[in-house]
Amino acid sequence: GAGVSQTPSNKVTEKGKYVELRCDPISGHTALYWYRQSLGQGPEFLIYFQGTGAADDSGLPNDRFFAVRPEGSVSTLKIQRTERGDSAVYLCASSLTSGTDSPLHFGNGTRLTVT
Amino acid sequence: TQLLEQSPQFLSIQEGENLTVYCNSSSVFSSLQWYRQEPGEGPVLLVTVVTGGEVKKLKRLTFQFGDARKDSSLHITAAQPGDTGLYLCAGAAGNQFYFGTGTSLTVIP
Repeated sequence: GAGVSQTPSNKVTEKGKYVELRCDPISGHTALYWYRQSLGQGPEFLIYFQGTGAADDSGLPNDRFFAVRPEGSVSTLKIQRTERGDSAVYLCASSLTSGTDSPLHFGNGTRLTVT
Repeated sequence: TQLLEQSPQFLSIQEGENLTVYCNSSSVFSSLQWYRQEPGEGPVLLVTVVTGGEVKKLKRLTFQFGDARKDSSLHITAAQPGDTGLYLCAGAAGNQFYFGTGTSLTVIP
């Protein structure tokens, strides 16, 4: 499809394990955002890419979280030594251009459950 | 940290009633967006307001941006069950969008 695709849609992992979450943005969109959302709450900003580089990673909660976008398209959010508090829906969004003049297009998210 | 507070947090109304959702902040934003999110899906953009005092209408939905560009409201006239969902405001500052705390709306047939 032409929308933002996130895989997997659901991920259950044990405390202490490593996980990778993938985001395929809309083709041609240069900006890519990762958000984390708890049930019934608004998305919380994690990191923003412009092209291949992380333009703003101020929302990453600690050094267990890392994200890459090596070719300026697909992005992977990596979480090391997962904790139960990491359980949430991780949303990816892309926009045509950088800055905030271009609207965000969201994927359906990856629901991460850490047991 | 959430910079935008939405009220109410939960709202359950009967079909045909009117409602208003508020989005407030102490920060100034260059623009403000409203999204609706349904369970298991990502937020979908409804509208963007840019100018202080701006009013935009989308069928039965009316959006207003505060004069000082710190707050916004969403008014729904004659709510329908299809309006049910999580409503989110998002303020733009720098290269980021800061999302509000969300308002969960349920419209009962």
